[in-house]
Amino acid sequence: QKEVEQNSGPLSVPEGAIASLNCTYSDRVSQSFFWYRQYSGKSPELIMSIYSNGDKEDGRFTAQLNKASQYVSLLIRDSQPSDSATYLCAVKALPGYKLIFGSGTRLLVRP
Amino acid sequence: DGGITQSPKYLFRKEGQNVTLSCEQNLNHDAMYWYRQDPGQGLRLIYYSQIVNDFQKGDIAEGYSVSREKKESFPLTVTSAQKNPTAFYLCASSVLTGGLTEAFFGQGTRLTVV
Repeated sequence: QKEVEQNSGPLSVPEGAIASLNCTYSDRVSQSFFWYRQYSGKSPELIMSIYSNGDKEDGRFTAQLNKASQYVSLLIRDSQPSDSATYLCAVKALPGYKLIFGSGTRLLVRP
Repeated sequence: DGGITQSPKYLFRKEGQNVTLSCEQNLNHDAMYWYRQDPGQGLRLIYYSQIVNDFQKGDIAEGYSVSREKKESFPLTVTSAQKNPTAFYLCASSVLTGGLTEAFFGQGTRLTVV
C-alpha cells in the first residue's frame, strides 16, 4: 500500500463548478497535511495546509481532514480554467518528519 | 528576498559522470528535502535532513549522495551508479516543528543524460 494515495485523474469539471480532490494516507500518526498545485514544467506551489480535524477555508479553497478515516480532501469552488493543473497531496509523517507526496490528481477545468 | 535557490536550472550529464545539484535557502529552515519527479509522476523522496551534519535516506536514495555542512545548503550528487538519472529534481525546505511546517520548493533542476 502506498503511503499517500490519490486518483491520477484527469478530473474534468466545467468552469464555475466545484472540484473535489481526494487523498488517503496510511500512517495513523501523520501530523500535518498539505495540498500543492503544480503547473506543467514548474515546481509545486503550496495552496493549503491543515493540521486538525475539520475544515479549513482560504478563499475558493477548502481543505477537509478526517484523521479517523485517514482522509484529506481539497474543494475548489467556482473553478476557473487557470485552476487546471496537477494537485499534489503531501503528508508529514513520523519518524523523522519526512514529507511524502501522492502521485497527484490532474484537474482540467473546461471553459 | 527570502527563498530557495536551485542551480543550475538545466544540467546535462554524460554517462558515467557524477554531477552535483545545488540547493540554498535563506529562510532559516531546519529541514531540507530532495525529490525526484519523472514525467507524469508524483514526487519521490531521495534524501532529507533535519539538522546540520545529519540526513536520512528517502525511498529512492540509491545512486545519490548528499551533505549538510551548513544549515542553508543541501547539495545533491547524482553519481554514476544512478542508472536512469534523467528527471526533474526538486529541493524543498521547511520549519521542522512547531506552528507552521509547510515546505517550500525551489524552481527545480532538469537533469538530462546525453
